[in-house]
Amino acid sequence: AQSVAQPEDQVNVAEGNPLTVKCTYSVSGNPYLFWYVQYPNRGLQFLLKYITGDNLVKGSYGFEAEFNKSQTSFHLKKPSALVSDSALYFCAVRDFYTNAGKSTFGDGTTLTVKP
Amino acid sequence: DVKVTQSSRYLVKRTGEKVFLECVQDMDHENMFWYRQDPGLGLRLIYFSYDVKMKEKGDIPEGYSVSREKKERFSLILESASTNQTSMYLCASSLSWDRVTDTQYFGPGTRLTVL
Repeated sequence: AQSVAQPEDQVNVAEGNPLTVKCTYSVSGNPYLFWYVQYPNRGLQFLLKYITGDNLVKGSYGFEAEFNKSQTSFHLKKPSALVSDSALYFCAVRDFYTNAGKSTFGDGTTLTVKP
Repeated sequence: DVKVTQSSRYLVKRTGEKVFLECVQDMDHENMFWYRQDPGLGLRLIYFSYDVKMKEKGDIPEGYSVSREKKERFSLILESASTNQTSMYLCASSLSWDRVTDTQYFGPGTRLTVL
């Protein structure tokens, strides 16, 4: 079985400050981890994914995420937040035994960046 | 770019009506998915399909059925709509059933209200 947790419903940061959106996971085998972003009244857009290799993954719009196997975490980060980053962020996980690419999604974290 | 389209952005139906939600993808993807999104509950998988005429139940299939007669089209059917099916419905697709690393591509969503 696989599961993912986003412990914070809401994250507030000031524009220009670094941001972190947290995600922890649980899988049977090796994890495959994804971050998606949802802007108001839109579908989800892919940001980045971790499959294997370098623990620091770079993605779209200046976002990056760090895979930490010992802490079973995959936190999303950005060095300098923009007001336009305000959105709903979802972490998702799959493991090697999951067929058809089925993902388990977290409940989402609302990021608000204030000017 | 992959494009996933959904037939309606907003839909209002009455209790007991039969409701069809249509999804079309243009990249020859094998997998297609239907999720519902509710505040605080994240995305929950209703059904998915990994080939024409093939389908599998997701986490919350009760009250729903699906149809996939052509590879590019995946329909979600509410046989008798109820108020607790008021939600945002998201369609997604991904390339291949045996590639767990594939990204999912999402449509814009259909916000369904059942009165």
